[in-house]
Amino acid sequence: GAVVSQHPSRVICKSGTSVKIECRSLDFQATTMFWYRQFPKQSLMLMATSNEGSKATYEQGVEKDKFLINHASLTLSTLTVTSAHPEDSSFYICSANLRQGYEQYFGPGTRLTVT
Amino acid sequence: DAKTTQPPSMDCAEGRAANLPCNHSTISGNEYVYWYRQIHSQGPQYIIHGLKNNETNEMASLIITEDRKSSTLILPHATLRDTAVYYCIFTYNNNDMRFGAGTRLTVKP
Repeated sequence: GAVVSQHPSRVICKSGTSVKIECRSLDFQATTMFWYRQFPKQSLMLMATSNEGSKATYEQGVEKDKFLINHASLTLSTLTVTSAHPEDSSFYICSANLRQGYEQYFGPGTRLTVT
Repeated sequence: DAKTTQPPSMDCAEGRAANLPCNHSTISGNEYVYWYRQIHSQGPQYIIHGLKNNETNEMASLIITEDRKSSTLILPHATLRDTAVYYCIFTYNNNDMRFGAGTRLTVKP
């Protein structure tokens, strides 16, 4: 099956700093990648959808200037949490699909803790 | 908001079949039913999907009612490693995956 990796798996940062999370599709080219956020004991919430070479589409209520998404290639998307605050502490998960209509493959997630 | 309804939790004895129901009464004719599961602190794992017909793969079976308003995921011989939160989602093009609360399945020895 298709494999999606994320790096780092865990990160702790100080309030006010920025953190970058990478999402890679290892054995396939992903036309679309997705970013989700999951708070403790809650379900996944879609944050944004990104297509290679174009601007990401953000869900309502997600600040695009705070959560910067770059999808520079068919195998890499990055999420940068800018000026992180403790309320941004969460489990961030990316996913990718080969093309429309095919199942999404999820990464293992990145646990962000902002102190 | 999630458009599916699933029981919040279920228990199953190890080795027995686990039958997880999902109601999706507002599903459209061209929308697929997908099932994913999430083991604690991991990313979701794809299980199976279907449109109208019942489907089976190495992990599970998916039974979709004739009116397509509900479905059941069947794990034929549950193991302790199947303990997870199971999500039922319906979507047209797989680019709009809305996760509900899911069902927390606990497989007990």
